[in-house]
Amino acid sequence: EAGVTQSPTHLIKTRGQQATLRCSPISGHTSVYWYQQALGLGLQFLLWYDEGEERNRGNFPPRFSGRQFPNYSSELNVNALELEDSALYLCASSLRGVNQPQHFGDGTRLSIL
Amino acid sequence: RKEVEQDPGPFNVPEGATVAFNCTYSNSASQSFFWYRQDCRKEPKLLMSVYSSGNEDGRFTAQLNRASQYISLLIRDSKLSDSATYLCVVPASGGSYIPTFGRGTSLIVHP
Repeated sequence: EAGVTQSPTHLIKTRGQQATLRCSPISGHTSVYWYQQALGLGLQFLLWYDEGEERNRGNFPPRFSGRQFPNYSSELNVNALELEDSALYLCASSLRGVNQPQHFGDGTRLSIL
Repeated sequence: RKEVEQDPGPFNVPEGATVAFNCTYSNSASQSFFWYRQDCRKEPKLLMSVYSSGNEDGRFTAQLNRASQYISLLIRDSKLSDSATYLCVVPASGGSYIPTFGRGTSLIVHP
């Protein structure tokens, strides 16, 4: 069974540009989560999607947005990129429910020059 | 008290040693917990789930102490490959379905 897949693996952008990151969850998982992990720091929750709806978002500005498609895959969009957006962006999926463990993709490493 | 707290370490131990980490949590209603390991610049990988008093998988044992609101992870006979950061995860409260990740405990196993 395929795990969570993310693309691209690496992304290099300059300040002010826009970035789109993609995630395909494990088959059967309806919940998708996005996290930001800056170098040496912990996971910061960005967004949670379930059944095509945004269910919750973390403490990030509105230029971080996303969506979930009918096949449960998801996109994370970051507009007006800033230097401090450089980080590893991790996507995780789970079955719906508070006691379900999350399974992570390999991440997209976003570098802002 | 923070929602989830972990000693960042690093815990520096020789091969073959037994090492234990604790993770304290503030939400007394939490029912299940998870331990993940994260290698440097890689994604977190699920290590163990803890749904009741504890769980054991080979050299790894996770225990839950509800009265004191902490979970522990015990690693016996440490291997060099156990070197990683171990993240404690506490389920969401209030129906938000957003688990809280601890900052992690760094383990270094040396020859």
